[in-house]
Order: sequence, then structure tokens, then C-alpha cells
Amino acid sequence: GEDVEQSLFLSVREGDSSVINCTYTDSSSTYLYWYKQEPGAGLQLLTYIFSNMDMKQDQRLTVLLNKKDKHLSLRIADTQTGDSAIYFCAEVFSGGYNKLIFGAGTRLAVHP
Amino acid sequence: DAGVTQSPTHLIKTRGQQVTLRCSPKSGHDTVSWYQQALGQGPQFIFQYYEEEERQRGNFPDRFSGHQFPNYSSELNVNALLLGDSALYLCASSKDTQGGAFFGQGTRLTVV
Repeated sequence: GEDVEQSLFLSVREGDSSVINCTYTDSSSTYLYWYKQEPGAGLQLLTYIFSNMDMKQDQRLTVLLNKKDKHLSLRIADTQTGDSAIYFCAEVFSGGYNKLIFGAGTRLAVHP
Repeated sequence: DAGVTQSPTHLIKTRGQQVTLRCSPKSGHDTVSWYQQALGQGPQFIFQYYEEEERQRGNFPDRFSGHQFPNYSSELNVNALLLGDSALYLCASSKDTQGGAFFGQGTRLTVV
């Protein structure tokens, strides 16, 4: 099946870490992505992880992948007000060529 | 590198009309995908073009059609517009089946 689920809202204090979670259904997905969308804008590719990896770190971003549970998370260290946006998890549908299946997005609100 | 560019940025159309949206992919990319993002939702895959052919299609009616040109740019056409077609239309480009789809800023279509 094709389904990606995310919690809809997360509120954190500036300077704390944020953890955004996602579950997906296609166990054959090769890549999993995190995108960021600011108001009125398109999607910005933040990071991705290949399915044979458990973890990937990229500056303040850490992606964890649990293939057994089909669970993906994005941790943002030292969250800033500029990180306030909607974050989308996406899987590459294994039955197609680089077709992305998106979750509904998690709105991250960062407050002082 | 200008990245993925889309035009126009905003568009207002009347029910029953037809619309054409345009996309230029990131330099070096040969695959263009189109997504529809309704308000408050994640992007939904419409179709994908590679080598000037529609390679795969999502669950969208035939009113949605497209084209890819020899320079890899693409158009999305929607006929007989409905109010429910109001959305942000996103174009994404990638290098064939390799990971990392890059998105444009989108075209905001409003049908009245």
C-alpha cells in the first residue's frame, strides 16, 4: 500500500531539540526523505536516508530509520525560530520511478 | 543554477476553463514530476515524464494531461476546471531514478 503518516503538530522552545516522527507502509522503499515547506513556498529537500542505513547526521539534523517498524524520525538540534515550518516525510514508492508518497506534514512551531 | 522554476506563480481561472502550467527542471535533470497540494495536505503525485513520455500516473482523471519537451521542460494542462482543482501545483525534477527530487516554488491555482 501507499501510506505515510505523521503527527500534525509539534511545539518546542527555542534552543531545545525537536523530534518529528513518521511511519510508512512500503517496506521496499529505497529512499526516505524529509522536506521543509515555509508559508507560501515550495518544498525544500532537507535530507534523505537510504534504506540500508540506520542513521544519518547532517549538521543539526539527524535522521533515524527503523526498518522493522517502518518508522522514520527527524531530530533538529538547537531548534531556532527559523525552523518553524511544515515538515513532510516522503517515501519513494517501490513500484514506480522515483514517485514520492508524502505524509500530511507536521507543523513545527518554535516559541521563545 | 536557477533550480526548478515554475510559471506563473499565481493564477485565477473560472470553472470550465482550461489552464497550462509550466516547469523548467534543474540543470542536469531529465525527469519531471507534477504534484497537487491541496490546502493543509501533503503533495499528491499526478504524473511523471521521462524522455518526453508519461512514465507513470497517479489517481487523477484524464482532464489532467502533460507534456515534456526535448529540453526536459514540461507543461501540465488541466481541462474543464472544477472548484476542487484549486491547489498549489508543484513541479519536481530529478535525475532519472536517482534519489533527490527538487521542487519548484509552485503555481497557486484558484478556480472560482
